[in-house]
Amino acid sequence: GAVVSQHPSWVICKSGTSVKIECRSLDFQATTMFWYRQFPKQSLMLMATSNEGSKATYEQGVEKDKFLINHASLTLSTLTVTSAHPEDSSFYICSARELRGSTEAFFGQGTRLTVV
Amino acid sequence: DAKTTQPPSMDCAEGRAANLPCNHSTISGNEYVYWYRQIHSQGPQYIIHGLKNNETNEMASLIITEDRKSSTLILPHATLRDTAVYYCIVRPSRMDSSYKLIFGSGTRLLVRP
Repeated sequence: GAVVSQHPSWVICKSGTSVKIECRSLDFQATTMFWYRQFPKQSLMLMATSNEGSKATYEQGVEKDKFLINHASLTLSTLTVTSAHPEDSSFYICSARELRGSTEAFFGQGTRLTVV
Repeated sequence: DAKTTQPPSMDCAEGRAANLPCNHSTISGNEYVYWYRQIHSQGPQYIIHGLKNNETNEMASLIITEDRKSSTLILPHATLRDTAVYYCIVRPSRMDSSYKLIFGSGTRLLVRP
């Protein structure tokens, strides 16, 4: 299957700082990327849908000013957690769907964010 | 979206078949059944999908009942590396690029040595 790569795999940051997470589709073009958050022992929760060249669509309850999403190209989307707090500590996962034809979504390996 | 119901946890012995059930009684005619799994601290991994007929690939088999209201994922010879959370999801066969994949709570499978 197609490869989706996230960077970094894990990050520790201080409260009040911002953290950027990258999601890349390595061997296909992705018109749409999805960002999920997962707390321990819980399922994946969809945060937002990111379409190349347009603004992201956020799920209810997700603060768009806190979780900035940019999808500037067909192979890269970024999630920036601004002014991070300990409650933002979580596992963040991206998913990408291919440009044409495919209905399959491929997932990155996830990024473990710890805010101290 | 059609909802799915899965048992929260199951276990099986290594080398035995693991049969994971899923109920999707409100599934509509154009919706596929997909299975993903998530091994601890990794992103979800696609396993298999089907519409009406039973399906088999190198990872698993998928048995869908005739009325399509339930299905079973079968791992024929479970190994310790199959310990994971397994998610059953129904989704349309045709969807636009912004269709959202929503995960339920899944089944936590523990494979015992």
